[in-house]
Amino acid sequence: GENVEQHPSTLSVQEGDSAVIKCTYSDSASNYFPWYKQELGKGPQLIIDIRSNVGEKKDQRIAVTLNKTAKHFSLHITETQPEDSAVYFCAASNNQGGKLIFGQGTELSVKP
Amino acid sequence: NAGVTQTPKFRVLKTGQSMTLLCAQDMNHEYMYWYRQDPGMGLRLIHYSVGEGTTAKGEVPDGYNVSRLKKQNFLLGLESAAPSQTSVYFCASSWEGAGPRETQYFGPGTRLLVL
Repeated sequence: GENVEQHPSTLSVQEGDSAVIKCTYSDSASNYFPWYKQELGKGPQLIIDIRSNVGEKKDQRIAVTLNKTAKHFSLHITETQPEDSAVYFCAASNNQGGKLIFGQGTELSVKP
Repeated sequence: NAGVTQTPKFRVLKTGQSMTLLCAQDMNHEYMYWYRQDPGMGLRLIHYSVGEGTTAKGEVPDGYNVSRLKKQNFLLGLESAAPSQTSVYFCASSWEGAGPRETQYFGPGTRLLVL
């Protein structure tokens, strides 16, 4: 079945630096790749997503890139702020019942 | 518009006890999901439903049962709780019948401790 690997598991950056989180997926039929942010004690919240017909998508300080050939996608956060500190999850879907397969998560810490 | 709500927020069970977790959504979504979240393992799908009266198994269904008698509610049951079921449980929903099916909206979670 589908498998999603996410790296790194923890990431610490200084405020203002950039952060990059990478994911690889195994199912070549996957066509939807969302990223979720989970703050302490809360449920995951969608922050950005990308479909397989697009190579890159940006939303203010957040961007996602997709390389279908290599089957990997990445989240880029620029000008990081302390409020970006959270756990980030990538996921992949091949549109079967809307199911998502999640990566293991990355705990991002932004130090002031 | 409350989105996705879950009850209870926290529960302690003894091994062998049973309980039901309730998920409710007010977005008229067709699809609903139950996940468990354990440290270092991300979110793993337990069961899901693609419509009222339907359920299907996810990655880790053993020890759990579900029911979707009403479109807005999705119940997760533990018939005989085990310590291995200590986890944080999240419910999610998606798809109002048009647009992307995969964009899921999550509830706040239920923390379950089985002693």
